[in-house]
Amino acid sequence: DAKTTQPPSMDCAEGRAANLPCNHSTISGNEYVYWYRQIHSQGPQYIIHGLKNNETNEMASLIITEDRKSSTLILPHATLRDTAVYYCIVRGNSGGSNYKLTFGKGTLLTVNP
Amino acid sequence: IAGITQAPTSQILAAGRRMTLRCTQDMRHNAMYWYRQDLGLGLRLIHYSNTAGTTGKGEVPDGYSVSRANTDDFPLTLASAVPSQTSVYFCASSAIWDTGELFFGEGSRLTVL
Repeated sequence: DAKTTQPPSMDCAEGRAANLPCNHSTISGNEYVYWYRQIHSQGPQYIIHGLKNNETNEMASLIITEDRKSSTLILPHATLRDTAVYYCIVRGNSGGSNYKLTFGKGTLLTVNP
Repeated sequence: IAGITQAPTSQILAAGRRMTLRCTQDMRHNAMYWYRQDLGLGLRLIHYSNTAGTTGKGEVPDGYSVSRANTDDFPLTLASAVPSQTSVYFCASSAIWDTGELFFGEGSRLTVL
C-alpha cells in the first residue's frame, strides 16, 4: 500500500472551511484514498473515500488531484465537534486477499471558537 | 444502535495473566480486525479475518492470537500479558465486498502491570 504524508496539526476557526491536505505520491492506479477521523477517546469514524473523481457526502468533500498524488479533505463549515485526528489512508486492492487499512499518525485538527 | 460491541471497556491486568478481549458485531460483515493504538504510533493492525474460519497477521501480531469461529465474534487473546501490551484496543468490521468502510468499536483500554 502507498504511504501517505499529512501535517501533524492544523487549526481552523469555527464556521470556516477546514482543508486537510494529504500527499500520496506513490499511489497506484487501483488504490483508493480513504479518510477517517477519531474524536478523543472514541473509535475511528469513516468519513469519505474516492478513486479519481471528487466526492461529496453529508460530512465532507474529497478533492483528488488529476495525477492522484495528493488529495484534500474539506469540512465546509467546521464546528467545535469536528476537533479530531484525521487520517488519510491509501487502500490497496489485492484481489480479495485482504482489505485491511493501515493508519498513520494523522492530522490533529483543532477547531477554535 | 447496532454495530460493534467490545468488552471489557477497561481492564487492569497483572503481567503473565491470560486475557481475552471480546468483540461482537451484528451487521453480518465478513471482515473483522483488531488494532492497537499507542501515543505517537497511531493505529496498528494486530490481526484480521476476511471471513469466518480464516485469520491473518497484521503489523504487530506477536503475543496475540485470534479466532473466528462464526461471523459475529472475533476475540483477541493475550496468552501471557506483558507491560508493552498496555494499550487501547479497537475492534472493527467491514463488509469486505463493499466500500471498505470500517466500523469501529469504542475500544478496550488495557493496562498490564
